[in-house]
Amino acid sequence: DGGITQSPKYLFRKEGQNVTLSCEQNLNHDAMYWYRQDPGQGLRLIYYSQIVNDFQKGDIAEGYSVSREKKESFPLTVTSAQKNPTAFYLCASSIAGTAYEQYFGPGTRLTVT
Amino acid sequence: QKEVEQNSGPLSVPEGAIASLNCTYSDRGSQSFFWYRQYSGKSPELIMSIYSNGDKEDGRFTAQLNKASQYVSLLIRDSQPSDSATYLCAVRPTNDYKLSFGAGTTVTVRA
Repeated sequence: DGGITQSPKYLFRKEGQNVTLSCEQNLNHDAMYWYRQDPGQGLRLIYYSQIVNDFQKGDIAEGYSVSREKKESFPLTVTSAQKNPTAFYLCASSIAGTAYEQYFGPGTRLTVT
Repeated sequence: QKEVEQNSGPLSVPEGAIASLNCTYSDRGSQSFFWYRQYSGKSPELIMSIYSNGDKEDGRFTAQLNKASQYVSLLIRDSQPSDSATYLCAVRPTNDYKLSFGAGTTVTVRA
């Protein structure tokens, strides 16, 4: 089955620790995205990437880092510099050169205490 | 001015009625428009895409686009309790490949 997988579904960390969220897609999509969603809020773009080894900051990139070493993978690291990391993190992907409709993974719910 | 604005909710409709969701956008050159449905605790799911002026129907859903008025809407006919969710409007601005999302409108269909 083609799709986007995110792991783990739930993640708990202590304050001050870096944590990496996984996002993998087998849709052969070129572009990938990371969003953050807080309770009752909309989506906020963290980072996005259209090709391997290239990515751009979104609206709230501070305290986050990404890599795009493979087309299928776009991991997000939440660093200790992120002041309020507890949130629902969503990864999405889209085909380049078209309407760029995005498809989302199931999300990772991160809780930092 | 926000790039994409949706009518504030929550929107409560009786079962069987039409739910009408509205979205306006600021970039006049936008070409692609999407509606996503997000159930509580789940990720957004693409339910409609529209690219040209007019109506596009898919089952009980109809998307309407008016580029001159910079307006896109979603109608849900014969609303069912399973339609209770938050609906996100997304727009692809000119010369960009990332989408701009509205804040969402929460719909509750009461039996």
